[in-house]
Amino acid sequence: GAVVSQHPSWVICKSGTSVKIECRSLDFQATTMFWYRQFPKQSLMLMATSNEGSKATYEQGVEKDKFLINHASLTLSTLTVTSAHPEDSSFYICSAKQGASNQPQHFGDGTRLSIL
Amino acid sequence: RKEVEQDPGPFNVPEGATVAFNCTYSNSASQSFFWYRQDCRKEPKLLMSVYSSGNEDGRFTAQLNRASQYISLLIRDSKLSDSATYLCVVNGPNNAGNMLTFGGGTRLMVKP
Repeated sequence: GAVVSQHPSWVICKSGTSVKIECRSLDFQATTMFWYRQFPKQSLMLMATSNEGSKATYEQGVEKDKFLINHASLTLSTLTVTSAHPEDSSFYICSAKQGASNQPQHFGDGTRLSIL
Repeated sequence: RKEVEQDPGPFNVPEGATVAFNCTYSNSASQSFFWYRQDCRKEPKLLMSVYSSGNEDGRFTAQLNRASQYISLLIRDSKLSDSATYLCVVNGPNNAGNMLTFGGGTRLMVKP
């Protein structure tokens, strides 16, 4: 159980393109999902917390107009990187948690984004 | 000071060896603790939760010392497939039950 699916797994596109990444909890409902970014040889950094039916909570330094998050249902959250530039190239990973606050998060497969 | 600190390694050990990783955290109000493993260019996968009484799962043993704010992971009889980066993860830093803070990871390389 507790499977999180992320799509697409790899994106290569031109600078200025907007890219949408989907995160789905396949076998459970997730009122809260999380979006992380990981640069090579660095730790995961939380970008935002996505709450079903309400606005996402962004971490300091993360531009909400640049990284649009929509959590329209209990099983789907999307992250849109708007007008992506080469510095946005990174590994984006979503996670979701099932149940109480002391439960672990389960991660999607990650999306490797490369902006040319 | 980082919220969660780990020795980055790498730890190079032969197959069959026992290896231990340590982790310290700064927020004394943290409530939940986990070890994840992350393979190169892959997402983190939960290895085990860490409980106050200590817990074991096969070859893996996790310990928590709340007084010292210290977490450990012991791997016995190392396998080649154990080669990965091990992430110490703590909920917080503001004790928000939903938010995780990751250590930088400890890299393990098990050699034949």
